Amino acid sequence: ETGVTQSPTHLIKTRGQQVTLRCSSQSGHNTVSWYQQALGQGPQFIFQYYREEENGRGNFPPRFSGLQFPNYSSELNVNALELDDSALYLCASSLEPRPTNTEAFFGQGTRLTVV
Amino acid sequence: AQKITQTQPGMFVQEKEAVTLDCTYDTSDQSYGLFWYKQPSSGEMIFLIYQGSYDEQNATEGRYSLNFQKARKSANLVISASQLGDSAMYFCAMREGWAGSYQLTFGKGTKLSVIP
Repeated sequence: ETGVTQSPTHLIKTRGQQVTLRCSSQSGHNTVSWYQQALGQGPQFIFQYYREEENGRGNFPPRFSGLQFPNYSSELNVNALELDDSALYLCASSLEPRPTNTEAFFGQGTRLTVV
Repeated sequence: AQKITQTQPGMFVQEKEAVTLDCTYDTSDQSYGLFWYKQPSSGEMIFLIYQGSYDEQNATEGRYSLNFQKARKSANLVISASQLGDSAMYFCAMREGWAGSYQLTFGKGTKLSVIP
């Protein structure tokens, strides 16, 4: 086990609703990244938080937003849910983004279904 | 253009045999890192092995080795002595440059099935 925990594990929401997904990073890790993995695809980078600030963002609309707390845990919020938001959402924690830090540890993911 | 290409949607291997999973990448950066992750049906991405662009030796981690051919921009994963527990999806990923965020770009994956 990596020590990265995500909650909830499964979630069903209705189109147009809002959702919050949570991630607790591995002890000692101050960087959290979020990825969206659609069925049959590889994960796609949504954004990263480092020391409570957004530190990079992928090609996702503003209705995808996040937070990082002083204990380095993180939330991913998605507003105005669309059917295409149905996916596995993965959180990864790592040490600060330096070249020598090469590992990111992933949680088990939250499977979101939008109906 | 795809940054990470995995051309094998599915692979079969006999237990105890070796298998190679292909990965080619596209980047104009001189500094980059290449990763392989295993994803069982439970969903968690498990880190297997890392190769830096300036590493001269091929990376090895136990039964996993990375066949890094920089000029061909390929980073194939070799699993020796396959086990039934190796059945899973395998993803190749790349981190470009060293400034800014720790952003991984993933391929579409290869589903490996180990046959008893």
